Amino acid sequence: DVKVTQSSRYLVKRTGEKVFLECVQDMDHENMFWYRQDPGLGLRLIYFSYDVKMKEKGDIPEGYSVSREKKERFSLILESASTNQTSMYLCASSLSQVPGVGTEAFFGQGTRLTVV
Amino acid sequence: DAKTTQPPSMDCAEGRAANLPCNHSTISGNEYVYWYRQIHSQGPQYIIHGLKNNETNEMASLIITEDRKSSTLILPHATLRDTAVYYCIKVINNFNKFYFGSGTKLNVKP
Repeated sequence: DVKVTQSSRYLVKRTGEKVFLECVQDMDHENMFWYRQDPGLGLRLIYFSYDVKMKEKGDIPEGYSVSREKKERFSLILESASTNQTSMYLCASSLSQVPGVGTEAFFGQGTRLTVV
Repeated sequence: DAKTTQPPSMDCAEGRAANLPCNHSTISGNEYVYWYRQIHSQGPQYIIHGLKNNETNEMASLIITEDRKSSTLILPHATLRDTAVYYCIKVINNFNKFYFGSGTKLNVKP
């Protein structure tokens, strides 16, 4: 089975801190994604990466950056955490870039981040 | 518009079929329809996807209308563990970014 592992299940950080959320997948997937999930807003795409060192902005990249130095690892960085970044963060990966072929995304369990 | 339209909630009796509708009237010819579900406090789980033909796997069946403007996910024998939020998604481009809407909260009742 594909496994997508997020480093923390729960995290509490202070306003202004630099926060790193780590995600690792073990199936050699090409694509990796970061979403945040908020009540009433569903899942919103922050960033995605289709290859090592490659990244593309999603719907809400402001206040975030990402790093993909190795294929299996995709990090989300909050440069200076703010209270409005309190949310559930979900990482996902998928195998292929060909529509409909190996494109289903596998999600991690999520990191619930609270910024105080 | 990247989003699809789903009813906010539905009820289903345990052991009966659950039929979850989705409207994707703006879908284009090469866009697939994907279904995911999210059980409380877990990450979304892939269920099934299709382009224009009906599809079936061990979890569910997907019925897509001939004009591709809507689809229905069928859970043939719903159980209490199928209680979840079900998302219908259309994939936008070759990088397969998934844009999630609000989904349908399915309540399976004993």
